Amino acid sequence: SQTIHQWPATLVQPVGSPLSLECTVEGTSNPNLYWYRQAAGRGLQLLFYSVGIGQISSEVPQNLSASRPQDRQFILSSKKLLLSDSGFYLCAWDHGRNPNIQYFGAGTRLSVL
Amino acid sequence: ILNVEQSPQSLHVQEGDSTNFTCSFPSSNFYALHWYRWETAKSPEALFVMTLNGDEKKKGRISATLNTKEGYSYLYIKGSQPEDSATYLCAPSSGGYQKVTFGIGTKLQVIP
Repeated sequence: SQTIHQWPATLVQPVGSPLSLECTVEGTSNPNLYWYRQAAGRGLQLLFYSVGIGQISSEVPQNLSASRPQDRQFILSSKKLLLSDSGFYLCAWDHGRNPNIQYFGAGTRLSVL
Repeated sequence: ILNVEQSPQSLHVQEGDSTNFTCSFPSSNFYALHWYRWETAKSPEALFVMTLNGDEKKKGRISATLNTKEGYSYLYIKGSQPEDSATYLCAPSSGGYQKVTFGIGTKLQVIP
């Protein structure tokens, strides 16, 4: 069976510090991978998705970047965090075909102070 | 970014009541419509994904319908139970099946 791991669960970072959130999927190969963010009072917003190693699509301009160094690893990064980067970050995967049921990780609660 | 509207934003019902929610979305360049359930302290979990106009899906007491021509979907819960308490998210994809836009959700509270 497939599993998705996302860490850390919570993170408190000062403004201007770097960020690295990691997500890994087990039990499948060549998945599509996604990063979402839920800001306070808002819906889930798609930040990045990847259909393969090194292939990243960005959906919104922002202070964040994503990388996929291995088939089942997806990393969300920032060089300098802003207050507006605070939120709940979710990683997800699907099998890479339409219709695509997405499976979500447990999420990371990021507070930038 | 798609404009996805869900109504109502929150709902309190008594155990045993039936209820329904609405999701509206732009009908152009449609790929699929997803419904997810998000319980507190858990990850969102897929309920249904529908692609064709007129699709109807059912899972136990929960069912959903899709109208892609007018851009709406309904989610129905028959005989609500306390374990149905969650936020129900609607998410159409447009311009590519990976490009999923989530609505803000309908938060359902079922009172025993």
